[in-house]
Amino acid sequence: NAGVTQTPKFQVLKTGQSMTLQCAQDMNHNSMYWYRQDPGMGLRLIYYSASEGTTDKGEVPNGYNVSRLNKREFSLRLESAAPSQTSVYFCASSVGEQYFGPGTRLTVT
Amino acid sequence: QKEVEQDPGPLSVPEGAIVSLNCTYSNSAFQYFMWYRQYSRKGPELLMYTYSSGNKEDGRFTAQVDKSSKYISLFIRDSQPSDSATYLCAMRDTNAGKSTFGDGTTLTVKP
Repeated sequence: NAGVTQTPKFQVLKTGQSMTLQCAQDMNHNSMYWYRQDPGMGLRLIYYSASEGTTDKGEVPNGYNVSRLNKREFSLRLESAAPSQTSVYFCASSVGEQYFGPGTRLTVT
Repeated sequence: QKEVEQDPGPLSVPEGAIVSLNCTYSNSAFQYFMWYRQYSRKGPELLMYTYSSGNKEDGRFTAQVDKSSKYISLFIRDSQPSDSATYLCAMRDTNAGKSTFGDGTTLTVKP
């Protein structure tokens, strides 16, 4: 039972490049989330998916897109990366309380 | 004003001290209250999960919820250096899947 897994663990992008962050959970949870965490700013919700086939914007959705591929997988895409998107990205899934993945450290130069 | 306010810290205590971590909130619809612990360069992990008002104890940790004051606390007894981490409070209402998080309090327990 792996819980929530995220790939990659680290990534460096140049401004304007695109990439997709992958997340998968094996707990059969309906809800999944993407957060970013910046120093002194806590966790900020980017997008969430209450169930397979649905997605909704969170607090800071600009510059991001998501896909809920199936019940297990929820991906986050940066179409044209900007330095302001340098952050640590966490995926989570829930039945109420949330369970987090280990994070992806993204640097955009 | 944020919906959830958490004492910002940082907090530094000697080993063996009792630690109190606190959050206040403004949304009276919140019914579920969580505390997460986040070690440096790791994801948050669920520490305590409580429903409505009252206390819940788990080993050295006690979570307390006072809905009348819109105030929650996490107490750590006999604190250990391994408790050094950032602690995040979180809460949600009965029907929403989303949780609202505090910004975290960083705790250092010195040997």
